[in-house]
Amino acid sequence: GDSVTQMEGPVTLSEEAFLTINCTYTATGYPSLFWYVQYPGEGLQLLLKATKADDKGSNKGFEATYRKETTSFHLEKGSVQVSDSAVYFCALLYGGATNKLIFGTGTLLAVQP
Amino acid sequence: KAGVTQTPRYLIKTRGQQVTLSCSPISGHRSVSWYQQTPGQGLQFLFEYFSETQRNKGNFPGRFSGRQFSNSRSEMNVSTLELGDSALYLCASSLVRAGGSYNEQFFGPGTRLTVL
Repeated sequence: GDSVTQMEGPVTLSEEAFLTINCTYTATGYPSLFWYVQYPGEGLQLLLKATKADDKGSNKGFEATYRKETTSFHLEKGSVQVSDSAVYFCALLYGGATNKLIFGTGTLLAVQP
Repeated sequence: KAGVTQTPRYLIKTRGQQVTLSCSPISGHRSVSWYQQTPGQGLQFLFEYFSETQRNKGNFPGRFSGRQFSNSRSEMNVSTLELGDSALYLCASSLVRAGGSYNEQFFGPGTRLTVL
């Protein structure tokens, strides 16, 4: 079945370090891909999205490129801040009449000053 | 534009009771989806409603049910609560495009249910 695999956390970085969180997916067809972020005690916030191969989603300094050939959607940021500390979820959504997100297990990011 | 709202934010129940959670989507969003988040199972899809009809359902027992009203607000109900139902229940809303496909989902803050 369809699935999303994320790198295990926690990821601990110093402020201004480069961030990569790996995400790969298994799916038949051409899903849309998303990154969501969850801060403590809150719901999920949409961080960025890509709807087709080679699309690059970007927001607040975060970027991810939809790579069909490697079935990946890795999240990157050039310089993290303490305020980026949160749990990050990669997710896929099929087109058509199925509005069901399939999530990875989440990756906890801890940024130290 | 106001975001997705969920009430109540916190709930404590005992085993065997039932509970109803409410979700108000973003104005104009007619699709509402529900998810359960637990440390052990992560984020799991419960069901989705569109135009007052359940369109998709996840792999949960029949104790979990929902409905949607004509103003797109949705409720989910869990009957005969079990300890394992303790979780964060998240609601998400999205626009439906003219051809029937979906835009991205926007989430509410969740309802934290504790079953004792």
